[in-house]
Amino acid sequence: DGGITQSPKYLFRKEGQNVTLSCEQNLNHDAMYWYRQDPGQGLRLIYYSQIVNDFQKGDIAEGYSVSREKKESFPLTVTSAQKNPTAFYLCASRRQGTSNQPQHFGDGTRLSIL
Amino acid sequence: GQNIDQPTEMTATEGAIVQINCTYQTSGFNGLFWYQQHAGEAPTFLSYNVLDGLEEKGRFSSFLSRSKGYSYLLLKELQMKDSASYLCAVRDMGNNAGNMLTFGGGTRLMVKP
Repeated sequence: DGGITQSPKYLFRKEGQNVTLSCEQNLNHDAMYWYRQDPGQGLRLIYYSQIVNDFQKGDIAEGYSVSREKKESFPLTVTSAQKNPTAFYLCASRRQGTSNQPQHFGDGTRLSIL
Repeated sequence: GQNIDQPTEMTATEGAIVQINCTYQTSGFNGLFWYQQHAGEAPTFLSYNVLDGLEEKGRFSSFLSRSKGYSYLLLKELQMKDSASYLCAVRDMGNNAGNMLTFGGGTRLMVKP
C-alpha cells in the first residue's frame, strides 16, 4: 500500500542530545513537509522540500535540521538547540502540478524530554 | 502574514447538524482545505475549495466566500465517530509558489449522545 511512514511512534530525548525522526513515502511525491503540533493547537511548519537536494525553512526552523538526499525520505533532526522539543511531529507529502492536491500526512512521532 | 481563526471548541448532539466556521486574511488566496484529526492521529483530508460556493461530499460539505475571507464546514447526521478536531488551512500564492499551507488552531468537536 502507498503511504507515508513515520518512525518511531514515540521518542524520548535526553538533555543535550540530538534525535532524528524518520519520514519515508512511497507515493512518488516531490514535495515533503515537517510540522510541529503542540497540545490543542494547529500545525506549524518547520521545514519543507519541493525537490530532492533542496529544502527551505518554515516558520519555526530554529533548533531543527533536515536533509533530502532521496525523493522518498525527509528526516528531521531535533538538535540540542531546540529548548522546548516536546510536541507531536507530523510529516506530510504532496504531489506537485495541480492546485487541488492535498497534503497527505504520516501517523506522527510524539517526542518527549526525559 | 496570514491570520486564520476558528472556534476552539464546539459541542453537538448525535444526529444533528453542525457548522464550523473559519475566517482568514491573506494577500494571495489560492485555496482552502479542511482536515479531520482524531486525537493523537494524523490529519486526514476532507475537502478543498478554491472558487466561491458549496462543495458537497456525502455528510460533509464545505463553503467558501473569497470576498468575505470565510469558509465553513457543515457536518450532517452527526455520528459519535465525528468527535475530532477540524483544521482549516489556507494556501497563499505568496508562499513560494503557493504550495504551503497555513493552519488554523483547529476546532475540537464533541458529539454527545
